[in-house]
Amino acid sequence: GQNIDQPTEMTATEGAIVQINCTYQTSGFNGLFWYQQHAGEAPTFLSYNVLDGLEEKGRFSSFLSRSKGYSYLLLKELQMKDSASYLCAVSRAGYALNFGKGTSLLVTP
Amino acid sequence: DAGVTQSPTHLIKTRGQHVTLRCSPISGHKSVSWYQQVLGQGPQFIFQYYEKEERGRGNFPDRFSARQFPNYSSELNVNALLLGDSALYLCASTLSPQGRAGANVLTFGAGSRLTVL
Repeated sequence: GQNIDQPTEMTATEGAIVQINCTYQTSGFNGLFWYQQHAGEAPTFLSYNVLDGLEEKGRFSSFLSRSKGYSYLLLKELQMKDSASYLCAVSRAGYALNFGKGTSLLVTP
Repeated sequence: DAGVTQSPTHLIKTRGQHVTLRCSPISGHKSVSWYQQVLGQGPQFIFQYYEKEERGRGNFPDRFSARQFPNYSSELNVNALLLGDSALYLCASTLSPQGRAGANVLTFGAGSRLTVL
């Protein structure tokens, strides 16, 4: 199946750390992607994982465990501009991305 | 370099009408994908085209069709519009649909917001 589950909403404080989890069931797994989408805008690419482990890109890190069908996106030193929807997506080989419903993150002062 | 460009940005149609949405990929990108995003949901895959051939189709009715032109631009057509077709239609381009996941990073356009009344 292609079920992708992530929390609907999260709230965190400016300067804090937040972890957004994503679980998936998929066959032909070729990678897991994270996108950020501000309200009314297009999704923008944040990171992807193909192998197990942690990928770090500045304030953003993404982790993957293929055996557990689990990933998380870690955002450090939160800023107000990080308030957005975060989309977890699974890639099947040579094909489309299957997106979750997204996690709406609100960063408060 | 220009990113993925889509037109029109906003449009309003009535039930039963037809709509054509257009997309120009990033220069050098040969694969174009179309996604539908209903408010509050993640994007849902509609079509993928590569080298003018359909490479994948999502779970959408036959009212939805698309094509890719020799210059790799693409059109999405929707016939007999329903209220439920109201959504943001996103076009994304990538170098190729094959290969490692890293080569499949989709770059999205700003989208065409369709409202069906």
